[in-house]
Amino acid sequence: EVQLVESGGGLVQPGRSLRLSCAASGFTFDDYAMHWVRQAPGKGLEWVSGISWNSGSIDYADSVKGRFTISRDNAKNSLYLQMNSLRAEDTALYYCAKDMRSVDYGIDYWGQGTLITVSS
Amino acid sequence: QSALTQPASVSGSPGQSITISCTGTSSDIGGYNYVSWYQQHPGKAPKLMIYEVSNRPSGVPDRFSGSKSGNTASLTISGLQAEDEADYYCSSYTSSSTLVFGGGTKLTVL
Repeated sequence: EVQLVESGGGLVQPGRSLRLSCAASGFTFDDYAMHWVRQAPGKGLEWVSGISWNSGSIDYADSVKGRFTISRDNAKNSLYLQMNSLRAEDTALYYCAKDMRSVDYGIDYWGQGTLITVSS
Repeated sequence: QSALTQPASVSGSPGQSITISCTGTSSDIGGYNYVSWYQQHPGKAPKLMIYEVSNRPSGVPDRFSGSKSGNTASLTISGLQAEDEADYYCSSYTSSSTLVFGGGTKLTVL
């Protein structure tokens, strides 16, 4: 059974940093691309970033480019999102998600999410 | 990276059929057959319902079907049931090697 468990969320002040983690199990982690997707309270889904199986291809939404960094450790079956210069509009539930292929293609499984609140 | 366009809401009675549209451009929906649909109940994570425009993952009822014409994809739910009431999102791969989601559609079963 595919399991994706996010951690690292919480309340953070504007301008500060936070690092999210996602522990994956139930599938061969290094065979698949992975993504971060966020959902602001009461709003829709927004794709944030994706990383290919070997970290050779990395992409970001324009809204986070230059501030967020996605990475993965295949030896630890883990996905990360380093979030710098946080803004109020980054407040959202952040989902870790598994792709159906080794490069960006489409998401088939989602974690339960970790909530980030950016506020002073 | 503009979001795909979906109607904000649709409704139908039990047993009826409804269709949710998702409009993009030639750089996303129109250019690739990599369109997915997700169902999200309140407080829950999204669930994959359709992938590659019209394929259903194992366990998804065949009441759910997908199609595409040009830059518009569609999700049809036939034989509507109470448990189908949820938010539905479309998603597509894009020419920028990113993913893009639609704004979401709230389905109400009357």
